[in-house]
Amino acid sequence: KAGVTQTPRYLIKTRGQQVTLSCSPISGHRSVSWYQQTPGQGLQFLFEYFSETQRNKGNFPGRFSGRQFSNSRSEMNVSTLELGDSALYLCASSLEGQGNGYTFGSGTRLTVV
Amino acid sequence: GQQLNQSPQSMFIQEGEDVSMNCTSSSIFNTWLWYKQDPGEGPVLLIALYKAGELTSNGRLTAQFGITRKDSFLNISASIPSDVGIYFCAGLGRDRGSTLGRLYFGRGTQLTVWP
Repeated sequence: KAGVTQTPRYLIKTRGQQVTLSCSPISGHRSVSWYQQTPGQGLQFLFEYFSETQRNKGNFPGRFSGRQFSNSRSEMNVSTLELGDSALYLCASSLEGQGNGYTFGSGTRLTVV
Repeated sequence: GQQLNQSPQSMFIQEGEDVSMNCTSSSIFNTWLWYKQDPGEGPVLLIALYKAGELTSNGRLTAQFGITRKDSFLNISASIPSDVGIYFCAGLGRDRGSTLGRLYFGRGTQLTVWP
């Protein structure tokens, strides 16, 4: 079965712009979680969506937002980009979420210049 | 949030050697997980541990869930070049005041294997 698909794989944006990243979960998975990975901070939890609702949220500013559609696909948006937002953004899907049974996508590498 | 301290940060070993890395926390976790991340890819689950004291193997990999539920270790025996990558520990827990579970990750151990 197809894995977790994240698009695009690479992205270069300018400070102040906004960006939208996409995650298509494994078929049947209802939960999508997003993580930011940087060399300095490691894997930091952004938020989790389950059945189109944000169920849990990490400690990130309001510039980071997301949503989930009825087919479980999820998008995350970052507005007013800062240089420090440069990172690998990973999504993970699972049947029920809350940390159980995660399968990660390959990530979107965002570079802010 | 809950902090996981993973060590060592990096390891440089020769092919055939055994490797050991560990993870400690000030908080109790009911599930410990070990992931491996190859360059340009997302983390892949290697081993999941669900019970204090549990020792689980997956091929050349062995992991243990500490008795105190605050630590775990991962051993890799007879390392090979394809073991190269970043290994992460993760604990399944909850933020203070929350009923919702989520994963907390260690900072990772970068493993390099020389042929």
